[in-house]
Amino acid sequence: DIVMTQSPDSLAVSLGQRATITCKSSQSVLSSSNSKNYLAWYQRKPGHPPNLLIYWASTRESGVPDRFSGSGSGTDFTLTISSLQAEDVAVYYCQQYYSTPYTFGQGTKLEIK
Amino acid sequence: QVQLVQSGAEVKKTGSSVKVSCRASGGTFTNYAFSWVRQAPGQGLEWMGGIIPIFSTTKYSQKFQGRVTITADESTSTVYMELSRLRSDDTAVYYCARIHSSIWYEAMSPWGQGSLVIVSS
Repeated sequence: DIVMTQSPDSLAVSLGQRATITCKSSQSVLSSSNSKNYLAWYQRKPGHPPNLLIYWASTRESGVPDRFSGSGSGTDFTLTISSLQAEDVAVYYCQQYYSTPYTFGQGTKLEIK
Repeated sequence: QVQLVQSGAEVKKTGSSVKVSCRASGGTFTNYAFSWVRQAPGQGLEWMGGIIPIFSTTKYSQKFQGRVTITADESTSTVYMELSRLRSDDTAVYYCARIHSSIWYEAMSPWGQGSLVIVSS
């Protein structure tokens, strides 16, 4: 199974500042056949199911604010929130869908400083 | 806009089975694959398996192989997950999620609201 490791486990950022979460996979999730990274980011607010933010490592899901962006390739990925808003307080998860079983990072709890 | 509506909370005895349903409304059911993911208290998200209704194909995590059965009823646009031989560590919130297309290797959106399953002796 591919192991996904996020850092940090928790993060406190001031409103309006940048938040950065990293995710590392135990093996590459980059497909040589289509040059796509099989990596997604989800946001999980208390009492709600996960919500897809980013797929193919850098494609924003419809309706997701453009302050959310994803980058990286191969085994190293980053989720960036350019200007933190109060409503962004949540737990963020990365997930690989390169191979089954799909696996998730342990989650990063984002709070307001 | 597709919505996934799951069945309600269940309390089960150890050794019994539970069957959770997930009904899709507002979108085309057969054009997509569906996954089941669970989250136990204090634990992370764990993919259990999935189904592609149009091809009637399933995939299961080896961890749950032999205990989990995922089925679909196209006539009601409903996906089911049945977990047998329940143990206390199966206590979790179980989510269904639609995969972005009718193939396995895509991201998951949207997700159902979750179904709490409590297993006790």
